[in-house]
Amino acid sequence: EAGVAQSPRYKIIEKRQSVAFWCNPISGHATLYWYQQILGQGPKLLIQFQNNGVVDDSQLPKDRFSAERLKGVDSTLKIQPAKLEDSAVYLCASSLVLLANSPLHFGNGTRLTVT
Amino acid sequence: AQTVTQSQPEMSVQEAETVTLSCTYDTSESDYYLFWYKQPPSRQMILVIRQEAYKQQNATENRFSVNFQKAAKSFSLKISDSQLGDAAMYFCAYRRYGGSQGNLIFGKGTKLSVKP
Repeated sequence: EAGVAQSPRYKIIEKRQSVAFWCNPISGHATLYWYQQILGQGPKLLIQFQNNGVVDDSQLPKDRFSAERLKGVDSTLKIQPAKLEDSAVYLCASSLVLLANSPLHFGNGTRLTVT
Repeated sequence: AQTVTQSQPEMSVQEAETVTLSCTYDTSESDYYLFWYKQPPSRQMILVIRQEAYKQQNATENRFSVNFQKAAKSFSLKISDSQLGDAAMYFCAYRRYGGSQGNLIFGKGTKLSVKP
């Protein structure tokens, strides 16, 4: 099966600009997650979707970050305006269902550099 | 709040030898899951092994095994017969029982180098 697809692979922007990341999960996976991984740290969950609904966005900085999954398939994560501290790898993951023991599948991430 | 600590920022092992990566965690819950993930330069997180806290038996997956000490809140990963392809960042992660698959708390990782 095809894996979780993310684009772009790399992005460099200046502070105060906006940026968007795209994620296409594995076909049929109902649950989708976005993580932020700052250099030297483990990933931190930002938001999780079940189909096209938000399950948990408690760790998403909503003043500048937004995410959507309109048709319950692919998803976009946006930052507007970007700050220097947003420099990180943004990982997307999906799983078949929200609970139970279905494995979590990760994409290759987008590395964002804010200058 | 739960925390995960990996005290070894970097480790090195000779090819075919055995290495152990350390992880400790803090939680007040009695039921939970623990994981080890591998992150190669491709950045994709790959599940290595998982452990349910209610199981006393240590999990094993081929060359990978864990030493789970619940009372000490310790969860170390042993890699036997190390291979060049094992070189990567390794992250220990915690998930509470009943939580969603992706609601993981990660440690800061250990960079493993494998020498030929």
